[in-house]
Amino acid sequence: EIVMTQSPATLSVSPGERATLSCGASQSVGSNLAWYQQKVGQAPRLLIYGASTRATGIPGRFSGSGSGTEFTLTISSLQSEDFAVYYCQQYSDWPPFTFGGGTKVEIK
Amino acid sequence: EVQLVESGGGLVQPGGSLRLSCAASGFIFSNYAMTWVRQVPGKGLEWVSAISGTGGSTYYADSVKGRFSISRDNSRNTLFLQMNSLRAEDTAVYYCAKARGDSSGWRFDYWGQGSLVTVSS
Repeated sequence: EIVMTQSPATLSVSPGERATLSCGASQSVGSNLAWYQQKVGQAPRLLIYGASTRATGIPGRFSGSGSGTEFTLTISSLQSEDFAVYYCQQYSDWPPFTFGGGTKVEIK
Repeated sequence: EVQLVESGGGLVQPGGSLRLSCAASGFIFSNYAMTWVRQVPGKGLEWVSAISGTGGSTYYADSVKGRFSISRDNSRNTLFLQMNSLRAEDTAVYYCAKARGDSSGWRFDYWGQGSLVTVSS
């Protein structure tokens, strides 16, 4: 089973600032990596797939990069609606599909 | 507009059974794999099970294998999760999600609002 590790667990950022979230895989997943956003009381929402492709309707301030075992989600200028928990998920070697433990982006 | 609506959650005693349903609309249901993902309140996401578009292939997490069964009725655009021999550690919000991708793997592009399952005496 591929283990996904996210860091940091919590990221404190001021509105308008840049946020950089990291996700690591215990073995290579190629580009088979997705990012999800989950706000309190809501279901997760797909942001990025294929490591760097934005899902339908996702604003351009969200970008993904990386391949193999190291990935990054960048939010270029945080808006109030971006404060949430973010999860990465690998879909390279499955089952099982595995998620990282999440990064909470909170207001500084 | 894609919509996924779960139902069937509730309180059940340890060792009991529950069947979750997920009614889908807004897309050609039989063309897509579907999945169940659960989340203990306040914790992270855990993949539970998935099924191919035809229903011919099913997949399970080790934690539920032999106890849970995923199925679908493409004539009714509905996904199911039959949960037997429930344990306290199965307590979670269960989300159904539409899968998108190819043979290399699936991301989950639309999610339902979730159904809470509580296993307690």
